[in-house]
Amino acid sequence: EIVLTQSPATLSVSLGERVALSCTASQSVSSNLAWYQQKPGQAPRLLIYGPSIRATGVPARFSGSGSGTEFTLIISSLQSEDLATYYCQQYNHWAMYTFGQGTKLEIK
Amino acid sequence: QLRLQESGPGLVKPSETLSLTCSLSGDSINSGSYYWGWIRQPPGKGLEWIGSIFYNGNTYYNPSLKSRVTISLDTSRTYFSLKLNSVTATDTSVYYCARRHITAAFDVWGQGTTVIISS
Repeated sequence: EIVLTQSPATLSVSLGERVALSCTASQSVSSNLAWYQQKPGQAPRLLIYGPSIRATGVPARFSGSGSGTEFTLIISSLQSEDLATYYCQQYNHWAMYTFGQGTKLEIK
Repeated sequence: QLRLQESGPGLVKPSETLSLTCSLSGDSINSGSYYWGWIRQPPGKGLEWIGSIFYNGNTYYNPSLKSRVTISLDTSRTYFSLKLNSVTATDTSVYYCARRHITAAFDVWGQGTTVIISS
């Protein structure tokens, strides 16, 4: 099983700040990694896949990069509506998908 | 526009079988471009993929749950189902159904349904 490790678990941030979230895979997942945003009481929302392709309707302040085992999600200027938990997910193996444990963004 | 909606009992007794349905509106499962899956989230915890089904009925399950899970496709191809047997309190979760493109990630999700395992 491919394990995804996200760091940090919680990140205290300020509005307008540039935020970088990390996701490390225990083995290569090539470019088959996605990022999701989840707000309390809501389903996850796909933000980024491939791992730099923004999903439909996702603001340009969200960007993704990486390949192999190291991936990063960047929020260029944090807005209040971005306060949420972010999960990475690998889909490199068509029959076994795994998620990271999530990074929660909170106001500093 | 595709919408997914989970339905099923919100309370299941330990050792019994959890049964949920994911209904599609705006599309049907007849394309080889997508997988259709179930993902769950225990209270206050992260996401766990349960399994997926392809339009031809091929299924793929999380090895940790494989012995207890069955995902099936209705002949109308407008809904698919999840059965999880021998449930325990650790199966208490919000259960989501979702669509995944064969070359991408889960792009459409249902709103989720809470299932509590309790006597």
